[in-house]
Amino acid sequence: GENVEQHPSTLSVQEGDSAVIKCTYSDSASNYFPWYKQELGKGPQLIIDIRSNVGEKKDQRIAVTLNKTAKHFSLHITETQPEDSAVYFCAAGAGFKTIFGAGTRLFVKA
Amino acid sequence: GAGVSQTPSNKVTEKGKYVELRCDPISGHTALYWYRQSLGQGPEFLIYFQGTGAADDSGLPNDRFFAVRPEGSVSTLKIQRTERGDSAVYLCASSLMQATGELFFGEGSRLTVL
Repeated sequence: GENVEQHPSTLSVQEGDSAVIKCTYSDSASNYFPWYKQELGKGPQLIIDIRSNVGEKKDQRIAVTLNKTAKHFSLHITETQPEDSAVYFCAAGAGFKTIFGAGTRLFVKA
Repeated sequence: GAGVSQTPSNKVTEKGKYVELRCDPISGHTALYWYRQSLGQGPEFLIYFQGTGAADDSGLPNDRFFAVRPEGSVSTLKIQRTERGDSAVYLCASSLMQATGELFFGEGSRLTVL
């Protein structure tokens, strides 16, 4: 089955700096890669996703890149703000086949 | 509200007791999922409903766990003879259809087994 590895587990950046979170997956048949943000006491919420026919996708300060050959994908957050502090999960697959990484706790220091 | 609603938000019980956790999905969402999230981990799949039927229950850890969705809307996750290892946050999610990708999560039910 699918396995998703996520790094780093914790990331601390200064406000205004960029943050990068990286993930690898094992199943070459996976074609949907969502990223979820989870704030304390809340459920995960989708922030951006990418499908396998696209190499990069941007939404304001957030971008995701996908390298299908190497089976890895990354989340890039530019101009970080304190409200970006949360746990971020990468995932591979759709619906009940969604497999999540272990999460990255992002701290943005003001 | 318009989102996925889960009750209770917190449940403390004693080892060996029976527990029910409820999920009210977004109206019109036919697919409903239960996940379990342990501290410092990502959500782990438990069971998926398409309509009233459990389409995939391969994530349920053992036969103490059971879930129903009798009318194709609200779902209840039932845990019998709870064990301390069952302590976790139980997340419910729904989606319009199974294959659409995005999962809409509730805030979870935090279960603590003493």
